Amino acid sequence: AQKITQTQPGMFVQEKEAVTLDCTYDTSDPSYGLFWYKQPSSGEMIFLIYQGSYDQQNATEGRYSLNFQKARKSANLVISASQLGDSAMYFCAMREGRANNLFFGTGTRLTVIP
Amino acid sequence: DAMVIQNPRYQVTQFGKPVTLSCSQTLNHNVMYWYQQKSSQAPKLLFHYYDKDFNNEADTPDNFQSRRPNTSFCFLDIRSPGLGDAAMYLCATSLTPGSVYETQYFGPGTRLLVL
Repeated sequence: AQKITQTQPGMFVQEKEAVTLDCTYDTSDPSYGLFWYKQPSSGEMIFLIYQGSYDQQNATEGRYSLNFQKARKSANLVISASQLGDSAMYFCAMREGRANNLFFGTGTRLTVIP
Repeated sequence: DAMVIQNPRYQVTQFGKPVTLSCSQTLNHNVMYWYQQKSSQAPKLLFHYYDKDFNNEADTPDNFQSRRPNTSFCFLDIRSPGLGDAAMYLCATSLTPGSVYETQYFGPGTRLLVL
């Protein structure tokens, strides 16, 4: 079974609008961390935001927020006030327990339209 | 600024000719990772070093090796590159392993082309 599922291969959003990128995860470990990374066409994987399984509040970092619904095992990324520079691939990833591996989803390509 | 640096950004090699990719970091992190990312796919962990301890993923081909001569540097050696090894290779670091709270910080990647 896939540990991370991103069902949206591509998304379009109008500049200045908000957009939600979906991510669901699968784990039986009670301790895990969820991460979102942005990968522009240059290739660098840029860390955006983190949510721990025991965190009571949804994480926020500037224009990025994570809609964490533990019972549904979802960790959607919300980008507010989209900018042209937000056009990139976005990867959701999970780290379980004491494992070192980051499990990545297949990514969502976001295109911001002027 | 503290960062993860990868050289070169683009590497072209010939089928079967050994190639080495380089990663350095100024974050003073204990753990360094190498990921392979093929076109339109998610990154896949090849191996990682925790200090000098090497940890190989079970499905990493023997063709891939790594060296970490000191805290700052880590190398990926591909002994006999095949056409299927053409990919983006991403180096990442984290302060410690084995914690769900540890963020991995990535370098800009090296795109490898095999002719």
